[in-house]
Amino acid sequence: GEDVEQSLFLSVREGDSSVINCTYTDSSSTYLYWYKQEPGAGLQLLTYIFSNMDMKQDQRLTVLLNKKDKHLSLRIADTQTGDSAIYFCAETGFQKLVFGTGTRLLVSP
Amino acid sequence: GAVVSQHPSWVICKSGTSVKIECRSLDFQATTMFWYRQFPKQSLMLMATSNEGSKATYEQGVEKDKFLINHASLTLSTLTVTSAHPEDSSFYICSVLQGDTEAFFGQGTRLTVV
Repeated sequence: GEDVEQSLFLSVREGDSSVINCTYTDSSSTYLYWYKQEPGAGLQLLTYIFSNMDMKQDQRLTVLLNKKDKHLSLRIADTQTGDSAIYFCAETGFQKLVFGTGTRLLVSP
Repeated sequence: GAVVSQHPSWVICKSGTSVKIECRSLDFQATTMFWYRQFPKQSLMLMATSNEGSKATYEQGVEKDKFLINHASLTLSTLTVTSAHPEDSSFYICSVLQGDTEAFFGQGTRLTVV
């Protein structure tokens, strides 16, 4: 079945870059997503990448996809305290999303 | 993108009572909606896929008689937690998929059963 894994915790200083990693097992995934969840709130879609792409950049966010290794990463440049949240990667199976365990990003001043 | 509204955002109920959570797609006709549950410090787990006009499809391990899903229109799906118990306390989130590219989520409902 599908399985998506992430490291649980990442701590960075304000202004540094953050890299959140994700591995998945379903090679038939069409799209891969990154979501941000702030405390008590629903998920906010940050960005997504189509499986035939290697990289996608959107302002401070860069997504890298290594399809051979089934590895996805999210880089946040110039990380701010407002970026502190839980970040979930997700991949599509057949119309449903399978989520990773979430990475808690803590940004310190 | 689609706007998804979930109500209520927060509810406390007594053990043994039932609670209904609504999920509305405000600007998009959703034939399919998804219900997720998130326990503290854990990931989202898909509970069921709600299909307009037909029965919901439940994931393995989710009791369909306990979590009743009704998707009576293209803009509304409801999840009723029947005979709630403290172990049902969780964060429930609905979502809609727009095409194959984007999923939009409600703001979530935090259920506390006392």
